[in-house]
Amino acid sequence: KAGVTQTPRYLIKTRGQQVTLSCSPISGHRSVSWYQQTPGQGLQFLFEYFSETQRNKGNFPGRFSGRQFSNSRSEMNVSTLELGDSALYLCASSNHFSGELFFGEGSRLTVL
Amino acid sequence: AQKITQTQPGMFVQEKEAVTLDCTYDTSDQSYGLFWYKQPSSGEMIFLIYQGSYDEQNATEGRYSLNFQKARKSANLVISASQLGDSAMYFCAMRATNAGGTSYGKLTFGQGTILTVHP
Repeated sequence: KAGVTQTPRYLIKTRGQQVTLSCSPISGHRSVSWYQQTPGQGLQFLFEYFSETQRNKGNFPGRFSGRQFSNSRSEMNVSTLELGDSALYLCASSNHFSGELFFGEGSRLTVL
Repeated sequence: AQKITQTQPGMFVQEKEAVTLDCTYDTSDQSYGLFWYKQPSSGEMIFLIYQGSYDEQNATEGRYSLNFQKARKSANLVISASQLGDSAMYFCAMRATNAGGTSYGKLTFGQGTILTVHP
């Protein structure tokens, strides 16, 4: 059974650009959530999607957005990138009926 | 609101010995789940073990066991027979669940404990 797949794994952008990250959950999982990990702030919740609907949102500016498609795949977008957006972005999926939550390998974003 | 506290920034253990990583939590949720994850230097967050707040028995998964003490609000991870490959950052986390055990909402993480296994 394939795990959570995130693409791209690494990317470098410059300030002001925008970026789109993709996440394919484990087959059968309908819940996807996103987290940002930085050395200073640790792991912070971005948003959670279930059945194409955003169910919860963390305390991030509107430059951070996301969506979920009918096949449960999810994307997150960050517009007008800032240096502080450099981070590891982790996607997690669950089947919503068990407690377990599985993460992908992450997308490491560097903003120059 | 939820809060996870991991008081050990770093831990050292000899190969083949057992080690306990501490985790205490605070929450206003009646029902919740507790997680432990391992994050090697590659960055991937690897799920280790899960404990529901209403589970009567402590969770075990191979060499990992979760010592759940609800009254003390602690959920310590015990790794038996440590291996060199266990060297990594370990995160304790929690998430609310409904009465049926369905998880929802954000996962709240602790600051992590770096475990180093010596040969």
